[in-house]
Amino acid sequence: DGGITQSPKYLFRKEGQNVTLSCEQNLNHDAMYWYRQDPGQGLRLIYYSQIVNDFQKGDIAEGYSVSREKKESFPLTVTSAQKNPTAFYLCASSSRTSGSQNEQFFGPGTRLTVL
Amino acid sequence: QQQVKQSPQSLIVQKGGISIINCAYENTAFDYFPWYQQFPGKGPALLIAIRPDVSEKKEGRFTISFNKSAKQFSLHIMDSQPGDSATYFCAARRSGYSTLTFGKGTMLLVSP
Repeated sequence: DGGITQSPKYLFRKEGQNVTLSCEQNLNHDAMYWYRQDPGQGLRLIYYSQIVNDFQKGDIAEGYSVSREKKESFPLTVTSAQKNPTAFYLCASSSRTSGSQNEQFFGPGTRLTVL
Repeated sequence: QQQVKQSPQSLIVQKGGISIINCAYENTAFDYFPWYQQFPGKGPALLIAIRPDVSEKKEGRFTISFNKSAKQFSLHIMDSQPGDSATYFCAARRSGYSTLTFGKGTMLLVSP
């Protein structure tokens, strides 16, 4: 089965703790993305990576960090500097060679709750 | 600054009716306009997409209408079914870029 996996599905953390969300894809996609979803806010881009060992900030990168050491993996760390981390986090990937559409495929998401 | 404005925020349609969701954009560099469907607790999935050189694209009961001069595009769901109840997002991509800018979403409820 090809696709994107995110783990865990639900995550609870105490305020002030860093937490890392996992995202793995076996679609052989070059590009990977992290979005944050809040009710009524749509999807907002946190970070994205076009290639291994390279990544760029999105619209709301403050308080987050990422790494891209392998093509298949793009973990997101929510740091204690993120003021309001409780949200639904979505990972996506796309192929740079998929033609004009460059469709983004999404994982099932991780719901993070900070207590 | 919201680059893609989506309306309405929520929509209730009777079974068999037509659901219409609208989006507007400002940036003329956008060259690809997808619509995503999201069920509660799941990730979004691509529904249908259009490029600005086409005014309409139809896939089954789903149609995108595109008005380049007005910088608007809309999703029409014909013969709406309860199984279509979901949140729908429009998005836009700038030419030469891979990232998408999303609208804020429309929660559609199709009543039986």
